[in-house]
Amino acid sequence: DVKVTQSSRYLVKRTGEKVFLECVQDMDHENMFWYRQDPGLGLRLIYFSYDVKMKEKGDIPEGYSVSREKKERFSLILESASTNQTSMYLCASSAPGQVGDTQYFGPGTRLTVL
Amino acid sequence: EDQVTQSPEALRLQEGESSSLNCSYTVSGLRGLFWYRQDPGKGPEFLFTLYSAGEEKEKERLKATLTKKESFLHITAPKPEDSATYLCAVSRNNFNKFYFGSGTKLNVKP
Repeated sequence: DVKVTQSSRYLVKRTGEKVFLECVQDMDHENMFWYRQDPGLGLRLIYFSYDVKMKEKGDIPEGYSVSREKKERFSLILESASTNQTSMYLCASSAPGQVGDTQYFGPGTRLTVL
Repeated sequence: EDQVTQSPEALRLQEGESSSLNCSYTVSGLRGLFWYRQDPGKGPEFLFTLYSAGEEKEKERLKATLTKKESFLHITAPKPEDSATYLCAVSRNNFNKFYFGSGTKLNVKP
C-alpha cells in the first residue's frame, strides 16, 4: 500500500514565525504535491515537484516555498506565517504513467496561525 | 476552461436508500477521472480511477461510471459508515495537475 505521511496532524504557530511542513512517501513516486483545503474553496494546489530539486508553482504559491532534496521527501515552508494561512494542508504523491497518475494523499496537517 | 463540477453539494439518505453522485467535467484530453472519499479532518482516500467512456469500477457498495462528459458514483444500500465527502478530480494528458471538484457531502442516517 502507498504510504504518505506528514510530520504533524495539528500545528499552532504565531504570526511571523517560519513554519516547516514535511511530507514523506514510501513508494518511490516521482511526483509530489502540496495543497491547502479550505471550506467553500476546495483543494487548491500550492506547489508540486516532479523530480528531486525540481519544483513548479501551482495556483496559489504566494507566501510559500518548497524544498525537495530527496525523492521521498517534500517540504512546504511558510517563510513568515500569517493568519490567512490557517488551513488544512495536504500532501500527495504519484508516479507518472501509473494508474493514470493517481495521487495518494497523506493524513493532512491542520495549521492554525494566531 | 478546464472545470469540474459536482452535484449535489450535500445529500442526506436513509440507510438502504440508494442514490448517485454526479461529477461533470470540461477538460481537453482527459487522462483519468478519480474518485476520493474524505472523512472530516483527514486526507482524501483513493477509491477509483476511470480512463475512458463506458468504463465502470466497483468496490463494496460503490460503483463508478464514466461517460464523455460526466461520471457517476452510485451508492447501493448505503450504511451510516458511508457518510463522508466524496471528491472527484480529473487529469489531462501530458499534464501532472489535477482539477478537483468541490465535493458532495453525504450523510446516511440509520
